[in-house]
Amino acid sequence: DTGVSQNPRHKITKRGQNVTFRCDPISEHNRLYWYRQTLGQGPEFLTYFQNEAQLEKSRLLSDRFSAERPKGSFSTLEIQRTEQGDSAMYLCASSLSGDTTGKGRETQYFGPGTRLLVL
Amino acid sequence: RKEVEQDPGPFNVPEGATVAFNCTYSNSASQSFFWYRQDCRKEPKLLMSVYSSGNEDGRFTAQLNRASQYISLLIRDSKLSDSATYLCVVNSQAAGKSTFGDGTTLTVKP
Repeated sequence: DTGVSQNPRHKITKRGQNVTFRCDPISEHNRLYWYRQTLGQGPEFLTYFQNEAQLEKSRLLSDRFSAERPKGSFSTLEIQRTEQGDSAMYLCASSLSGDTTGKGRETQYFGPGTRLLVL
Repeated sequence: RKEVEQDPGPFNVPEGATVAFNCTYSNSASQSFFWYRQDCRKEPKLLMSVYSSGNEDGRFTAQLNRASQYISLLIRDSKLSDSATYLCVVNSQAAGKSTFGDGTTLTVKP
């Protein structure tokens, strides 16, 4: 499967613990995005990388959240001292700059997400 | 007020019906517009981009009105498989942050 992959698919943790999620984008894609989605809402943008550079961060990304993409390939999202309000689906997406072959615009392809439950 | 607003529905329609979804956005500097489809407990998938001149992809037609900051999606001859949540998405630049609406849920019934 050459799509975006995310691990783990599910994570249950206790409040106060740290968690780390991984995203492997489509191999040639240079852009990578993290979103968070809660039930009944659309995905909310968290952060965006072009290659290894983190170009944009949402105000939602408090200092408990950190994301990295050290070699411009896979990315990790870490949440420190988790809170119950962090429970959500964490979605990763990737795109190739200038690629409009899919639907006429640069297309973001989403992974299956990591579902986090903080008890 | 949210940056991208959609009627949450749900829309319950019979097979073969035509259904229209609306979306409004608040950032007048928005540059690109999309409709995504999301099935229950799955990731969003791009349905179609939206162009100023309007565009069609089979049974789906998307329209954009920049003056009114309004986007629409029309689905003709609804199929059972069209049942999903439809997300309106707006980008303020070519790449980077995408702002999603909360989605409109469609159920097509036999």
